[in-house]
Amino acid sequence: SQKIEQNSEALNIQEGKTATLTCNYTNYSPAYLQWYRQDPGRGPVFLLLIRENEKEKRKERLKVTFDTTLKQSLFHITASQPADSATYLCALHSNYQLIWGAGTKLIIKP
Amino acid sequence: NAGVTQTPKFQVLKTGQSMTLQCAQDMNHEYMSWYRQDPGMGLRLIHYSVGAGITDQGEVPNGYNVSRSTTEDFPLRLLSAAPSQTSVYFCASSYSRTRGLNYGYTFGSGTRLTVV
Repeated sequence: SQKIEQNSEALNIQEGKTATLTCNYTNYSPAYLQWYRQDPGRGPVFLLLIRENEKEKRKERLKVTFDTTLKQSLFHITASQPADSATYLCALHSNYQLIWGAGTKLIIKP
Repeated sequence: NAGVTQTPKFQVLKTGQSMTLQCAQDMNHEYMSWYRQDPGMGLRLIHYSVGAGITDQGEVPNGYNVSRSTTEDFPLRLLSAAPSQTSVYFCASSYSRTRGLNYGYTFGSGTRLTVV
């Protein structure tokens, strides 16, 4: 069956360190992969998109990688800050649909 | 610039009641969609619309109706609420379905619905 997996356990990171979140998938051949941020009581906010022919995409302190051989995307936040604490969702574009992961809660401790 | 506005923010319904969740956007987006978000699960698409007068079913359409009479509004109707419809509902939009898939969607703040 088709699956997208994000770590369901919260990720606790010390302020200033790099936070790395993982999005794994099986049985898809995604064209693009999107990452969103979701704060409590709010809707997801689009952050970055990476295409299958791109290995890496950067935006300020954010970096996304996409390894179609490993079927995995990594989302990095460098120099993390308490304000980066949120749930981060990945979504695959496959066959003209967006398939969503359940999200990983990131907690940045001062 | 309001973006995507959803009302109400919270709602409690009794089983069998009906209600309409409202979604409005002021960005002239042709594509609008409804998702539900349940604990431990990814967002699931309920219905979507690629323009006024055009709607289609998503992954979990049963128990929900939609219509799109204007570009701005895309209401979601629950005809006879069931406890299984307890969830958080999000409306999302983009200039087009393709543009959303390629550049991301704009979401509303959600409606938390409880059916007792």
